[in-house]
Amino acid sequence: DAGVTQSPTHLIKTRGQQVTLRCSPKSGHDTVSWYQQALGQGPQFIFQYYEEEERQRGNFPDRFSGHQFPNYSSELNVNALLLGDSALYLCASSWTSGGARGTQYFGPGTRLLVL
Amino acid sequence: EDQVTQSPEALRLQEGESSSLNCSYTVSGLRGLFWYRQDPGKGPEFLFTLYSAGEEKEKERLKATLTKKESFLHITAPKPEDSATYLCAVQKSRPGAQKLVFGQGTRLTINP
Repeated sequence: DAGVTQSPTHLIKTRGQQVTLRCSPKSGHDTVSWYQQALGQGPQFIFQYYEEEERQRGNFPDRFSGHQFPNYSSELNVNALLLGDSALYLCASSWTSGGARGTQYFGPGTRLLVL
Repeated sequence: EDQVTQSPEALRLQEGESSSLNCSYTVSGLRGLFWYRQDPGKGPEFLFTLYSAGEEKEKERLKATLTKKESFLHITAPKPEDSATYLCAVQKSRPGAQKLVFGQGTRLTINP
């Protein structure tokens, strides 16, 4: 059973550019959440997608946007990159439809470096 | 505002030396408290979920407990492979509020 997968594993961009990160959830999961983790800090919630809609959003600017596809996979887009966007971006999947208590399982992350 | 504080920030133990990590939380209506293990450069690995005060969960050398204000992760006779950052997170009970609020983590090092 494949776990949560993310691509790419590493990415280097320059300020002002745009980036797209991708996530495939664990088999049987229908909900995807995205987190940003700066070095030495705990993950910070960006947003969550369920049934192809953004269900909840953290304190991140509109430069951060996302999408969920019919197969439950998801993308995170960041526009106008800033140096401070350099971080490990984590995707987590969980199962909402079955009434489960929403344990989130994380992927390996995408390390983004903005120069 | 929901808040999670973990202590200590870093802990260094000798192999076999048992200890506990602390996670204090303030949240209006707790749905669940989660413990994760994270190795450097990797994603967090799920360990336990605790739902109500008094609940305990065990896995190998790890035991998690929950009170109304805090959770403890007890590590018994640790081995070097237990070295990692341990993250605590809370989830609110409000419908649709599934985000996890994390603490900053405790970096645990077990010396052989």
